[in-house]
Amino acid sequence: SQQGEEDPQALSIQEGENATMNCSYKTSINNLQWYRQNSGRGLVHLILIRSNEREKHSGRLRVTLDTSKKSSSLLITASRAADTASYFCATDEDSGYALNFGKGTSLLVTP
Amino acid sequence: DAGVTQSPTHLIKTRGQQVTLRCSPKSGHDTVSWYQQALGQGPQFIFQYYEEEERQRGNFPDRFSGHQFPNYSSELNVNALLLGDSALYLCASSFGRRETQYFGPGTRLLVL
Repeated sequence: SQQGEEDPQALSIQEGENATMNCSYKTSINNLQWYRQNSGRGLVHLILIRSNEREKHSGRLRVTLDTSKKSSSLLITASRAADTASYFCATDEDSGYALNFGKGTSLLVTP
Repeated sequence: DAGVTQSPTHLIKTRGQQVTLRCSPKSGHDTVSWYQQALGQGPQFIFQYYEEEERQRGNFPDRFSGHQFPNYSSELNVNALLLGDSALYLCASSFGRRETQYFGPGTRLLVL
């Protein structure tokens, strides 16, 4: 079952702008991960944030996690055309090891 | 350092046939998970292998089975293929069951 749900479903911005994607989930988690997927290819791991962390940075990426609201956000600063892809959040539940994905946010960055 | 590799990249089968997909994990990884991704959807967990045993299974019928070898590589077998099995099949590996999962490029299966 899909636990995570990304919002918005689609996002279109211009190069240089910031892109923010949100993820909500339903059950207690151990960690939350964000992945990028280009044109139906394999998923590229972007960042992992553990349930006891609130914010994490990696290059132009900033991820926040609010376990009380069961939500996370991914911010991509100074977007580039190469950031065009689908972005997924994935959670693993306390009770298991499977990653549960949402349907993703489709990001289009135009020059 | 080679990442996760999968073979074949594409496959076309007909209904009722059987298929085997293969995955080699990233060097140093001991855990392999398989996911099915239908068009326009997020990946769905099929099962996870650790120490050559199926440790957790998602909501998939028994037609889906797998195996993990002593070198940690893995196979996914699907019997009695249905049209609805057409999807991108993704393999992911990790060191330990709760760490970051790294995905391969996937095998795109089309069932006619």
